[in-house]
Amino acid sequence: NAGVMQNPRHLVRRRGQEARLRCSPMKGHSHVYWYRQLPEEGLKFMVYLQKENIIDESGMPKERFSAEFPKEGPSILRIQQVVRGDSAAYFCASSPDRTEKLFFGSGTQLSVL
Amino acid sequence: DAKTTQPNSMESNEEEPVHLPCNHSTISGTDYIHWYRQLPSQGPEYVIHGLTSNVNNRMASLAIAEDRKSSTLILHRATLRDAAVYYCILRDRGGNKLVFGAGTILRVKS
Repeated sequence: NAGVMQNPRHLVRRRGQEARLRCSPMKGHSHVYWYRQLPEEGLKFMVYLQKENIIDESGMPKERFSAEFPKEGPSILRIQQVVRGDSAAYFCASSPDRTEKLFFGSGTQLSVL
Repeated sequence: DAKTTQPNSMESNEEEPVHLPCNHSTISGTDYIHWYRQLPSQGPEYVIHGLTSNVNNRMASLAIAEDRKSSTLILHRATLRDAAVYYCILRDRGGNKLVFGAGTILRVKS
């Protein structure tokens, strides 16, 4: 059973461009979480999704950020009009239900020039 | 979310046991105590969790105080590969998101 797959591993964008981060959860997992880790800081919760539904987006910035987890395909974290402050490692995690342990991917390192 | 308090950093010698403390004085009756760790340049990894009784698995042991206001993660024989940031997290029985604190940076000396 493959682990949580995130791609790309590294993403470079110029200010004002869009960034799309993908997360394929483990097989059988319908719960996906996104976290952001700024340089030298801790992990901050962003959003929790369960197939086609956003359950908790209390950690998402109000503008430019959106997330989806369609019925088919990976979960996508989308950042529009990126700024330098968006540079961070973005981690995705999945679980089979809301009470089980989370399995994390290796992350996407976003660099904004 | 209930808070946890951990030392900023700890150091251990290789092959020796490591005891990582965590205080959670405001823990509620439905909170589970979870431990995750994050190795350099990787995503967090589940270590262990418990509610009231001590727990053991292949990675570590979790000792929970009788009043549940504190717990200790025990690595029985530290190796260089155990050098990581260790997070103690309270999670309600109902589940939902994990809230990470600053964690404890564990350094292992050879």
